[in-house]
Amino acid sequence: QKEVEQDPGPLSVPEGAIVSLNCTYSNSAFQYFMWYRQYSRKGPELLMYTYSSGNKEDGRFTAQVDKSSKYISLFIRDSQPSDSATYLCAMRNSGGSNYKLTFGKGTLLTVNP
Amino acid sequence: DVKVTQSSRYLVKRTGEKVFLECVQDMDHENMFWYRQDPGLGLRLIYFSYDVKMKEKGDIPEGYSVSREKKERFSLILESASTNQTSMYLCASSPPVGGEAFFGQGTRLTVV
Repeated sequence: QKEVEQDPGPLSVPEGAIVSLNCTYSNSAFQYFMWYRQYSRKGPELLMYTYSSGNKEDGRFTAQVDKSSKYISLFIRDSQPSDSATYLCAMRNSGGSNYKLTFGKGTLLTVNP
Repeated sequence: DVKVTQSSRYLVKRTGEKVFLECVQDMDHENMFWYRQDPGLGLRLIYFSYDVKMKEKGDIPEGYSVSREKKERFSLILESASTNQTSMYLCASSPPVGGEAFFGQGTRLTVV
């Protein structure tokens, strides 16, 4: 079983839709969870960062972490064509290797005008 | 505004050349990383460094080496470039505790 699983998509939605992106993981030691947005031929841009379980909201973006289910989500409200990108989840633990990030393979999202 | 800067956006090199990819961060972060990103394979960790002159191998270190002489700078070296090293190379940095890692804009390397 891979440490982090992420549906690669592609996911295509109309403008204004609510988008749900998800990752599951197997390592119960993961404590820090991140979502990155990556436009084509650019580096990943940090969108959301959460520690342990719970929700975090930033504008149209909401990140959820459910450690009991080993499941994280990113919701995008009122999606815009500019949200079209690949979304990567990433996580790390707080133990001895706390510097190492483990990534999902990314979900390609297209928001159609 | 946090910044990780990679020296080149695009590079074309010949097989057998020695290639240097440079990365500089201005956040005083202890940790720095080099990843490569390929379609269908995601991000794969090549090397990371948790302090000046300290380095550890990641998941795919073969054919690569690194150098970290100063805290803000982390270099990736392809000793003898090969066509299978054609890829997008991404540098990142992070503090020693906590999760946030910040990436550079990437270097698209083509080896011909």
